[in-house]
Amino acid sequence: NAGVTQTPKFRILKIGQSMTLQCAQDMNHNYMYWYRQDPGMGLKLIYYSVGAGITDKGEVPNGYNVSRSTTEDFPLRLELAAPSQTSVYFCASSDKEGGRDSPLHFGNGTRLTVT
Amino acid sequence: AQSVTQLDSHVSVSEGTPVLLRCNYSSSYSPSLFWYVQHPNKGLQLLLKYTSAATLVKGINGFEAEFKKSETSFHLTKPSAHMSDAAEYFCVRSNAGNMLTFGGGTRLMVKP
Repeated sequence: NAGVTQTPKFRILKIGQSMTLQCAQDMNHNYMYWYRQDPGMGLKLIYYSVGAGITDKGEVPNGYNVSRSTTEDFPLRLELAAPSQTSVYFCASSDKEGGRDSPLHFGNGTRLTVT
Repeated sequence: AQSVTQLDSHVSVSEGTPVLLRCNYSSSYSPSLFWYVQHPNKGLQLLLKYTSAATLVKGINGFEAEFKKSETSFHLTKPSAHMSDAAEYFCVRSNAGNMLTFGGGTRLMVKP
């Protein structure tokens, strides 16, 4: 049981490049989330999904896109990378709404630098 | 918007001494509150949660937290720190609409 797997672990992008951060979970969780973590700021929700085919914006969605074609996978797409997107990105999943009664399971993160 | 404030960005204790990490939340309907721990280069792991049952909540690794509605606080404590407790700790509240609000984090350092 691998839990939540994120790839890559590290990436350096030039301004204007695009990339996809991969996230997969093997716990059959319906809910999946993408967060970014900036120093001293906690985690901010980028996008989330309540099931295959359904996605919605979080607090900071600008500059990102997501898709959820399967229960297992929830990739995050950066189309035109900007320095402001330098951050650590975490994918998480849970089996109920918002983690209210069930914990979020986090991946180990992707550290992205845009220069 | 609902908020969570962690009062200390860094806390340093000696091994074997008590740990206190402070968290205040903005008051609204009775929130669900959590503490998560993040070890270096790892994702966050749930320590404990409060969901309007007992106000004193026990978590993993000897941590506990007390929900105090009158003070809008949910401080995390541990009687005796261990070197392996060195990590970043996040106080989190659950809001409506699948949103979690994270505090800014407290980095706990444990000195030998």
